[in-house]
Amino acid sequence: DVKVTQSSRYLVKRTGEKVFLECVQDMDHENMFWYRQDPGLGLRLIYFSYDVKMKEKGDIPEGYSVSREKKERFSLILESASTNQTSMYLCASSLTAGTGLSGNTIYFGEGSWLTVV
Amino acid sequence: GNSVTQMEGPVTLSEEAFLTINCTYTATGYPSLFWYVQYPGEGLQLLLKATKADDKGSNKGFEATYRKETTSFHLEKGSVQVSDSAVYFCALTSRAAGNKLTFGGGTRVLVKP
Repeated sequence: DVKVTQSSRYLVKRTGEKVFLECVQDMDHENMFWYRQDPGLGLRLIYFSYDVKMKEKGDIPEGYSVSREKKERFSLILESASTNQTSMYLCASSLTAGTGLSGNTIYFGEGSWLTVV
Repeated sequence: GNSVTQMEGPVTLSEEAFLTINCTYTATGYPSLFWYVQYPGEGLQLLLKATKADDKGSNKGFEATYRKETTSFHLEKGSVQVSDSAVYFCALTSRAAGNKLTFGGGTRVLVKP
């Protein structure tokens, strides 16, 4: 089975802190994604990556950055956390788009609940 | 761009009732369609998918048919259980959009004994 592991399930951070959310997948997937989930807003894409050292902005990248130094690991970074970044963060991965199979399933981790106080 | 619209919840049902969650979409190119489920306190799990028109995805008693003519992918289950209480998300990807998932807003379903 595909495994997408997020390092922390629950975090509480102070305003202004630098926050790292780590995600690892074990299926050699090229694509990795970070979403945030908020009540009434569904899931919104923050950043995604198609390959090592490659990143592209999603729909709401402001206040976030990402790092993909190794294929299996995709980190989300909040340079200076703010209270409006309190949310649930979901990491996901999938096989490459280059196969032409747009039906490739995207697999999700269990989520990281971040509270910024 | 791509977008997904699904019915707002919460949907409250009794056990063994019939469940339908409507989902319609707009997409560039030829999308693949998905239903994901999120149980309380957990991440998202793929429930079913369909990759071309008229395909029917099915899993755990749930079904959805890819209707290109009506741009719809409605989720149905004939007899729900309390354990089906969750949030259900309709989603799509397309090559034209770089295979990123676009989600609907989610529909919370509560099944009462």
